[in-house]
Amino acid sequence: GAVVSQHPSWVICKSGTSVKIECRSLDFQATTMFWYRQFPKQSLMLMATSNEGSKATYEQGVEKDKFLINHASLTLSTLTVTSAHPEDSSFYICSARADTSTRKETQYFGPGTRLLVL
Amino acid sequence: AQSVTQLDSQVSVFEEAPVELRCNYSSSVSVYLFWYVQYPNQGLQLLLKYLSGSTLVKGINGFEAEFNKSQTSFHLRKPSVHISDTAEYFCAVTLGGSNYQLIWGAGTKLIIKP
Repeated sequence: GAVVSQHPSWVICKSGTSVKIECRSLDFQATTMFWYRQFPKQSLMLMATSNEGSKATYEQGVEKDKFLINHASLTLSTLTVTSAHPEDSSFYICSARADTSTRKETQYFGPGTRLLVL
Repeated sequence: AQSVTQLDSQVSVFEEAPVELRCNYSSSVSVYLFWYVQYPNQGLQLLLKYLSGSTLVKGINGFEAEFNKSQTSFHLRKPSVHISDTAEYFCAVTLGGSNYQLIWGAGTKLIIKP
């Protein structure tokens, strides 16, 4: 149990275009979803936290107008990178947690999406 | 502020040897502790977690970790490693709160030599 999927796994786009990444919890309802960015050989950097039906909370330094997050249902959150530029190229990972008594502390991760902006 | 320190950025051992990956945290309150593994170009997989109870926690793939409150450590061990254990390992803690946000260590790259 606790499977999280991400789509697409790979995306290449031209500079100036927008890219949408989907994160789905497949077998549980995700009260909270997190979006991370990971640079090569580095740890995860939390970008934002989203709760279903609420606006996302962005970490300091993350542009909310550039990285649009929508958590419209208990199983789906999307991250849209608007007007992407080469410096947005990175590995984006989502995670999800559920407000159940047995797993509320635990984040379950998607497989990640590698974005390359040309 | 809370922080997580993984003392080794890289550990290299021979196959079938034991390994220990070290993790220390700083917090004045109770925490929940996690170890995650990341294989190349993949997301993170939960290895094990400590929430409460027995301080020795067993996880998947033969890994275990021991919570030591007095030393604020949560070291990961495996008695005999395999080539397939080559990966990046991350230690993380959460204080709880409304969303249980994780505070991450920098990661330890484990290299298994044949």
